[in-house]
Amino acid sequence: AQSVTQLDSQVPVFEEAPVELRCNYSSSVSVYLFWYVQYPNQGLQLLLKYLSGSTLVESINGFEAEFNKSQTSFHLRKPSVHISDTAEYFCAVRKTSSGGYQKVTFGTGTKLQVIP
Amino acid sequence: DAGVIQSPRHEVTEMGQEVTLRCKPISGHNSLFWYRQTMMRGLELLIYFNNNVPIDDSGMPEDRFSAKMPNASFSTLKIQPSEPRDSAVYFCASSPQGRGNTIYFGEGSWLTVV
Repeated sequence: AQSVTQLDSQVPVFEEAPVELRCNYSSSVSVYLFWYVQYPNQGLQLLLKYLSGSTLVESINGFEAEFNKSQTSFHLRKPSVHISDTAEYFCAVRKTSSGGYQKVTFGTGTKLQVIP
Repeated sequence: DAGVIQSPRHEVTEMGQEVTLRCKPISGHNSLFWYRQTMMRGLELLIYFNNNVPIDDSGMPEDRFSAKMPNASFSTLKIQPSEPRDSAVYFCASSPQGRGNTIYFGEGSWLTVV
């Protein structure tokens, strides 16, 4: 079975500072990796995902994540955060196996608080 | 695109009452999920449907919970009888066919059982 670890439950950071939200996964097979964001009082929405190819993936609002197979990590980074980035961020993993149903496993989430 | 539509958005009910949460997935999506989110337990998958058929219900807490998907455009999650520990945000989500495809979440139904 796969698992996802987000060690940081909360990350406070000043506006315009860089941020890294950590995500490590455990799986015996190859995986797809996702970051979802949840703004207050809303559902989760996809921020970015890694399926194959380039290990660096980017979102339209300046976030990026790099798949590191040797370290089993998929950390999320942004060089300069805005107030509007205040939200909870969830890392998720799913096996790439083509056989039947493959469950998406979500991490426990990291709350990013951007301080003015 | 209207997105995943859930109703009600907020419900307050008394312990012992029946609660029915409703969901309309995105048209054309053949996978539907019900999740529960609480501070204590985070985001939990309750049940997964594929082509209207329940595939994985291992996350359904107990017999008080039931879910149905009578057709491709409608699903319900029912709690009977409800208990205070059922208070949570319940999300419905849908996804098109494909292993790496995005899961699209509704805005959630906020349930409070008093």
